[in-house]
Parts: sequence; C-alpha cells; structure tokens
Amino acid sequence: DGGITQSPKYLFRKEGQNVTLSCEQNLNHDAMYWYRQDPGQGLRLIYYSQIVNDFQKGDIAEGYSVSREKKESFPLTVTSAQKNPTAFYLCASSRAGVPSGANVLTFGAGSRLTVL
Amino acid sequence: EDKVVQSPLSLVVHEGDTVTLNCSYEVTNFRSLLWYKQEKKAPTFLFMLTSSGIEKKSGRLSSILDKKELFSILNITATQTGDSAIYLCAAYNAGKSTFGDGTTLTVKP
Repeated sequence: DGGITQSPKYLFRKEGQNVTLSCEQNLNHDAMYWYRQDPGQGLRLIYYSQIVNDFQKGDIAEGYSVSREKKESFPLTVTSAQKNPTAFYLCASSRAGVPSGANVLTFGAGSRLTVL
Repeated sequence: EDKVVQSPLSLVVHEGDTVTLNCSYEVTNFRSLLWYKQEKKAPTFLFMLTSSGIEKKSGRLSSILDKKELFSILNITATQTGDSAIYLCAAYNAGKSTFGDGTTLTVKP
C-alpha cells in the first residue's frame, strides 16, 4: 500500500538536544511538507519542498532545518534553537504541477515530540 | 499574510442534528479550498473546491465555496457519533496550503 511513514511516533528530548524526525513516502509525490500542530490549533507550515534538492521556509521555520536529497524522503531536524518544540509534527505529500490534484495532501500518522 | 479563519472553534451536538462549519480566507493567488477530517492523528481529505456555487457532496457531507465573499461552509446532516472529529479548512495557493485552527465537533449519542 502506498503511503507516508513517519518515525518515531513518540520522542522525548532534553533541552539543548537536536532531534531528527523521519518522513518517507512511496506515493511518487513530488511535493512534501512539514506541519506543526499544537493543542487547539490548526496546522502551521514549517518547511516545504516541491522538488528534490530544493525547499522553502514556511510560516514558522525558525529553529528547524530540512533536507531533500531523495524524492521519497524529507527529514525534519528540530534544533536547540527552537524555543518551544513540544508539539505534534505532521508530514504530508502531494503531486505537483497537476492543476486538479496538486493541492490534495496525504498525511503521515505524525510524530509527537516532548521536550523534558 | 495569508489567513484562514474557522468558526465555531468547537461544537457539541446530538446524533441526528445538522451542523454547519464555516471557513473564511484571505490568501494571495488563491487556487482552491480544501476540507480535511482529523479523527486521531492523520487528517484525511474530504473535499476540494475551486469554483464558486458548485456544491460537492459525499453522503451526508456537503460543501460549497463563495469566491466573491471568500467563504466556504461544510454541512453535515443527520450527524452520527462517528462524525466526532476536528474539521480543518485549508486554502491552497502557489504550492502550499494554509490551514485554519479547525472546528472540534463532538456528537453525543
């Protein structure tokens, strides 16, 4: 079955440590996205990538970094510079360059990060 | 700055009631409006709307877009407990989607 796999599902980190969240998709989608969700809030865009080796900052990129070396992989690093990293992180993908379908996002099951 | 506002933020109804969820948007280069349902973790796609006045339907759910007023509604008729979820609205423009804060719907038996 095609889909998006995020790992780990739960992660605990001490203050000052960097952590990397994995996101892998086998949907052959060109575009990939990282969103953050806090309780009672919607999804806020951290970074997105339309093609391999290229990515753009979203609305809340400070304290995060990404890479897109392969089409199927888009890992997110939460650095120690992120002041309030405890949150639920969702990775998504979509087709690109197709007017009728580029907008529809397929989501992974999410990673919940807790900073101790 | 792109903005999507949903109302109400939460709603409690009883089975069989009809609900209307609202979504307004201010987005540059707007292309489409999407609705998602989030039950536990991963949001799942419900509707994509690109044209004004054309209703999309799927069972008891329906949605419509007004591009002049920058507004969309999601209707759920004859609600069931399985409709309990967070309903997210997103506006898509030029490569990215901006989400609202969601409406948390609770349907009581």
